[in-house]
Amino acid sequence: NAGVTQTPKFQVLKTGQSMTLQCAQDMNHEYMSWYRQDPGMGLRLIHYSVGAGITDQGEVPNGYNVSRSTTEDFPLRLLSAAPSQTSVYFCASRNVGGRNTGELFFGEGSRLTVL
Amino acid sequence: AQSVAQPEDQVNVAEGNPLTVKCTYSVSGNPYLFWYVQYPNRGLQFLLKYITGDNLVKGSYGFEAEFNKSQTSFHLKKPSALVSDSALYFCAVRASGGSYIPTFGRGTSLIVHP
Repeated sequence: NAGVTQTPKFQVLKTGQSMTLQCAQDMNHEYMSWYRQDPGMGLRLIHYSVGAGITDQGEVPNGYNVSRSTTEDFPLRLLSAAPSQTSVYFCASRNVGGRNTGELFFGEGSRLTVL
Repeated sequence: AQSVAQPEDQVNVAEGNPLTVKCTYSVSGNPYLFWYVQYPNRGLQFLLKYITGDNLVKGSYGFEAEFNKSQTSFHLKKPSALVSDSALYFCAVRASGGSYIPTFGRGTSLIVHP
C-alpha cells in the first residue's frame, strides 16, 4: 500500500514553461485535492475532485488545470509557469463514504522552482 | 464560512515538560476537527480527530486534544514533550453537513529544547 504518490519531488522550470505534477493514490479514495504551501501562508487549496470526471476550484486556482479521468490519478497542470508559482505542492486524498468523517492522506510533496 | 486560528506561530518547550498548541475555529453547525503534523521536508501526517462523543481525543505519538464547544477550541496537548516532537502542527476544521473541504490553520512550529 503506497498511499499517495507524487512525482516529481523536485522540479525547476523557466518562466513560461508548462509541466504536470502527478498524483496517484491506491486507497480507492473518492476525494482528491491539490494544495500549495508557502511560508507564512499555511496550506491553500488549488483544485479538488470528489470523483472521476468531477473537479472544482479551490481558493487559488488561477494558472492551474486539473482533470480526473480515473479514481486513482489527479494530475495538476501548470500551463505557463510564473515565479509566483514557486512553492511546495501537496496532493491529498480521503474516503468520503459512510459518515464522511475521514482524514486526509498527504503525499510527500513536490518542490517547484520557477526562474 | 469556516475558519481556523492558530494564534502562535511558534511554541517553545523544554523536553519533559507538557506542551499545548492552541487552535480555535469557526464553522456553521457541528465541526469535524483534525490535527496534522509535518516534519521537515515531508508531507502532513494525521494525528487525531474529533467527530463526536468524548471531548478528549487521544491520537498518535502520545498526543491528545480537548474539544471545547463553548470556547470553540481544540487545543493539542502532550504530557511530556520529546525533542522528536519538534515539527509544524496544523489544525483543520470541516463542517459536518456534507462539506468536502477542510480549512487549515497557518500552522504552529513546535520546538522542543533538550
